[in-house]
Amino acid sequence: EADIYQTPRYLVIGTGKKITLECSQTMGHDKMYWYQQDPGMELHLIHYSYGVNSTEKGDLSSESTVSRIRTEHFPLTLESARPSHTSQYLCASSDASRGGTDTQYFGPGTRLTVL
Amino acid sequence: TQLLEQSPQFLSIQEGENLTVYCNSSSVFSSLQWYRQEPGEGPVLLVTVVTGGEVKKLKRLTFQFGDARKDSSLHITAAQPGDTGLYLCAGTTYGQNFVFGPGTRLSVLP
Repeated sequence: EADIYQTPRYLVIGTGKKITLECSQTMGHDKMYWYQQDPGMELHLIHYSYGVNSTEKGDLSSESTVSRIRTEHFPLTLESARPSHTSQYLCASSDASRGGTDTQYFGPGTRLTVL
Repeated sequence: TQLLEQSPQFLSIQEGENLTVYCNSSSVFSSLQWYRQEPGEGPVLLVTVVTGGEVKKLKRLTFQFGDARKDSSLHITAAQPGDTGLYLCAGTTYGQNFVFGPGTRLSVLP
């Protein structure tokens, strides 16, 4: 069973609010990811990190930002939420040291609704 | 750009039936994963396959990685309502991020 956690699980907020979605893992994985997924749709990579102090933008452009100060923690921040940010946000991690045979493990997700 | 296609996109069957879903690409992957995702939850890993031609079994689920490591299949025997969900395949290769397919949405009716 994967040890990767996301909080909150559900968040309903008003437009213009600043929010931070938390993600932490206890597996010691170097690589972490954030995906955005609309209901019934594909996963889109928005951010990833190779390790501490490393952050990269993914395939889908996003107004969110991320930080990686500790190996186990990879929070995602939206400075000013808008209704277009309404979606499910999934955090994942993998052991990059295993190269191309590694496996991603996902957290339970945060469902964000911006009114 | 590596792409993964999955078929069928939707599948609705009766309890007890067998089914196979497919994951195809024109690219070679060093490993491929299958996940099941339920609404409002994160994908849960079912299996990782790494060797061309590899077959792995997980209870009633059988996974096969193609000989050329470009495709994979998932066969479910005697499907049950608890198998309902979105089945995702994801491939990776050295130094690259994971590539996800769009998923097969399976509904098993009692």
